[in-house]
Amino acid sequence: GNSVTQMEGPVTLSEEAFLTINCTYTATGYPSLFWYVQYPGEGLQLLLKATKADDKGSNKGFEATYRKETTSFHLEKGSVQVSDSAVYFCALSDPRGSYIPTFGRGTSLIVHP
Amino acid sequence: NAGVMQNPRHLVRRRGQEARLRCSPMKGHSHVYWYRQLPEEGLKFMVYLQKENIIDESGMPKERFSAEFPKEGPSILRIQQVVRGDSAAYFCASSPRGELEQYFGPGTRLTVT
Repeated sequence: GNSVTQMEGPVTLSEEAFLTINCTYTATGYPSLFWYVQYPGEGLQLLLKATKADDKGSNKGFEATYRKETTSFHLEKGSVQVSDSAVYFCALSDPRGSYIPTFGRGTSLIVHP
Repeated sequence: NAGVMQNPRHLVRRRGQEARLRCSPMKGHSHVYWYRQLPEEGLKFMVYLQKENIIDESGMPKERFSAEFPKEGPSILRIQQVVRGDSAAYFCASSPRGELEQYFGPGTRLTVT
């Protein structure tokens, strides 16, 4: 079956540091891949997505590249801000799996001033 | 275009009572998903509905939980005879088509006392 594995958190960084949150997946078909962000007390918001191999999704300084050969979709940002503190979820949507998305467990990011 | 609406935002119920959670999808979206999020855990899929149809309820507990998405009006997640273990945040998401990214509501935080 489909699965998504994220690095465990919390990830604690100082402002302006470089961020990487690892995400790898297992899927039977050719899924679309997503990163969602959840700020405290709120629902998930779509951050970026990629629908095919080698696509790069980007938004608000975050980016992730769909790597089919390594089945990965790592999230990166060159310089984090305190306001980036949130929980980040990697997810996939597999058309061969009735489109019900599979979410990772989430990675908490804490950015200190 | 208003986002996904959920109400109430907070719901307190005593053990044995019923909880009704409502979700109005984004305009034009006919696919609705319900998820449960327990503290310090990721999202757990519960049920996937289209108008008047339950497409997949593989994540729903077999007893006490039910969901509907009528032709008119919001989707309803109903929990009968609530127990303390039902305390969680319940999120609704919608999409225009099953294979596209989902848009999440702000969630309903259910507390069972």
